Formats: sequence, C-alpha cells, structure tokens
Amino acid sequence: SQQGEEDPQALSIQEGENATMNCSYKTSINNLQWYRQNSGRGLVHLILIRSNEREKHSGRLRVTLDTSKKSSSLLITASRAADTASYFCATDSGAGSYQLTFGKGTKLSVIP
Amino acid sequence: DTEVTQTPKHLVMGMTNKKSLKCEQHMGHRAMYWYKQKAKKPPELMFVYSYEKLSINESVPSRFSPECPNSSLLNLHLHALQPEDSALYLCASSHQGGLPASYEQYFGPGTRLTVT
Repeated sequence: SQQGEEDPQALSIQEGENATMNCSYKTSINNLQWYRQNSGRGLVHLILIRSNEREKHSGRLRVTLDTSKKSSSLLITASRAADTASYFCATDSGAGSYQLTFGKGTKLSVIP
Repeated sequence: DTEVTQTPKHLVMGMTNKKSLKCEQHMGHRAMYWYKQKAKKPPELMFVYSYEKLSINESVPSRFSPECPNSSLLNLHLHALQPEDSALYLCASSHQGGLPASYEQYFGPGTRLTVT
C-alpha cells in the first residue's frame, strides 16, 4: 500500500504566492524526502528531513515533520513559474530497507 | 559529476522484440535502482542493486531482467513485453552505508517506453 499520501492532488496559484503541500504516511520512518518532477522527466531531490527533526529549510523551501501525526508539509515561498511541477514525498520503510515509497504527488501550477 | 544518464530517451518496441535500457553514473554510488512510472502516478520501485548484487526485486515479471555489470552501470533487459508495460522507466542511484535510505536518490531523465 502507498506509504505517503499527498494533498492536495493539484494546486494552482499565482506567481509570488506561497504553496503548501502535505504528506501523510502510515508506518514509522527513518526519514522523509521531497522530490520534484517536471513533466515527463526524472525526479530531483529537494530536501530530506530525519525522524528526529521537526523543521528544515533550504532556500525558498520549508519542510516540517510531525511524527506523532505521521505527516509532513512542504512550503514553497514566493513561487515562480519555474516551480510548476509535480511534488512527491517519499518515505523509507523504517525497517532497514533501501526502498523508498513515493506518495501520489501534488501537481503544482504557478501562473505567471 | 552528479548526473545519472539513461539511454535511449525514447523506445518503441513490439511485443516480440528484445531491447535493453541503460543507466550510468559516475558518482561512486553503490546502490542503483530501477523504477517504473505510469502517467500521473508516482514511481514504483522495481529493482535495487547494492554493491552490484540484486537486493530487492519487487515481484517484477520475468520479462524484465536487470543486470549490473559494474558499479557504474545498470541495465534493464526487456523481452516479450506487453502494451501495459508502456511507461517511463527511471534509473536512480544513491550512496550506501550507515542508515539505509538515509541518502537522497539521484534520478536519470528516464526512458519513455512504448510497447506496440
């Protein structure tokens, strides 16, 4: 079954606005990662947050992790048209596996 | 060099053909992965190689046959595929060591496969 579930499935905002995407997961994890995928291309790693961390920043990205609620959020501030992409959270199984399970993704459209 | 390359970019094959997808990285990563991604869906893990040995096979049909000739190369051999196997096939690599899955994965651009 899918480990990560993002919401919303699709998000459309104006350039300059902030975009928030959420991810929920079901089992314990070692870390949670966020990836971006431009249409029909490979995924690009954005940020990794470990299970003992609560918040992490990278440029215009802010990720939070709440292990008690098994949820994470990705905030993109001051969005740009180039941020238009699908965003996926990915979790490991927490059981010593190299396997990452990706959520269904949020398709973000930033309108210039 | 932080790039994962995949060839070919596009592949059209008939159900009786045999073809291979290739993936290469020169980042010294010892874990390499094959994923399958259908349109508007997340990537699904197919295989994981760890130190050139197959460590995970996610119950993938035998018409897909992975191979890791050395630490930089990963192949996916295709034979007798079905139209439903049409998808984007992504290769990825990562460091290995310490806590599993604690490292980011670097993805190639993918091979768009169409089975006719």
